[in-house]
Amino acid sequence: AQKVTQAQTEISVVEKEDVTLDCVYETRDTTYYLFWYKQPPSGELVFLIRRNSFDEQNEISGRYSWNFQKSTSSFNFTITASQVVDSAVYFCALSESFGNEKLTFGTGTRLTIIP
Amino acid sequence: SAVISQKPSRDICQRGTSLTIQCQVDSQVTMMFWYRQQPGQSLTLIATANQGSEATYESGFVIDKFPISRPNLTFSTLTVSNMSPEDSSIYLCSVGQGFSTDTQYFGPGTRLTVL
Repeated sequence: AQKVTQAQTEISVVEKEDVTLDCVYETRDTTYYLFWYKQPPSGELVFLIRRNSFDEQNEISGRYSWNFQKSTSSFNFTITASQVVDSAVYFCALSESFGNEKLTFGTGTRLTIIP
Repeated sequence: SAVISQKPSRDICQRGTSLTIQCQVDSQVTMMFWYRQQPGQSLTLIATANQGSEATYESGFVIDKFPISRPNLTFSTLTVSNMSPEDSSIYLCSVGQGFSTDTQYFGPGTRLTVL
């Protein structure tokens, strides 16, 4: 069975600090997809990134970067120079391959950026 | 990405009543899903809404409690029947194209409070 663990329930950092959100996953599939979503206080779920299991290259998008390591089954998310607008709940999710798009979500990490 | 709307955005309902939530997409999509997010919790998949056939429910969710319709490729409804306070949650629909390389996008959610 698939499982996603986000051990950090809540994190608070002062604005401009860097912060890393951890995600550890379990799956028996050899092909799978990992996602990060952001849920701001308004409640909508905003897609941030999708990564497939064959692509272990790290990715950077502006202040956001993602570190995918199959050896440790981790897909961590780093925000550099955090801003107040980054305050939200962040969810890591996993889906199986080949058309089964059911997402298994982690429990989320509530990130608070202190001005 | 598709533009997804949900109606109502929020509602307060009495115990024992039913509420139908609508999900509308601005383009045809293959897959539509319904998720529940209980207060302070992660997202849990309720069912996959299948166009022209019965929805596929996840373990712990039944059609009598959460009947779903999907009359076409752009619209779906979820009904929460015979509500109790435990049904107070955010209900989100999501859409995808059914390909393994696809990304699932979410609607803005419906905040339901049952008194």
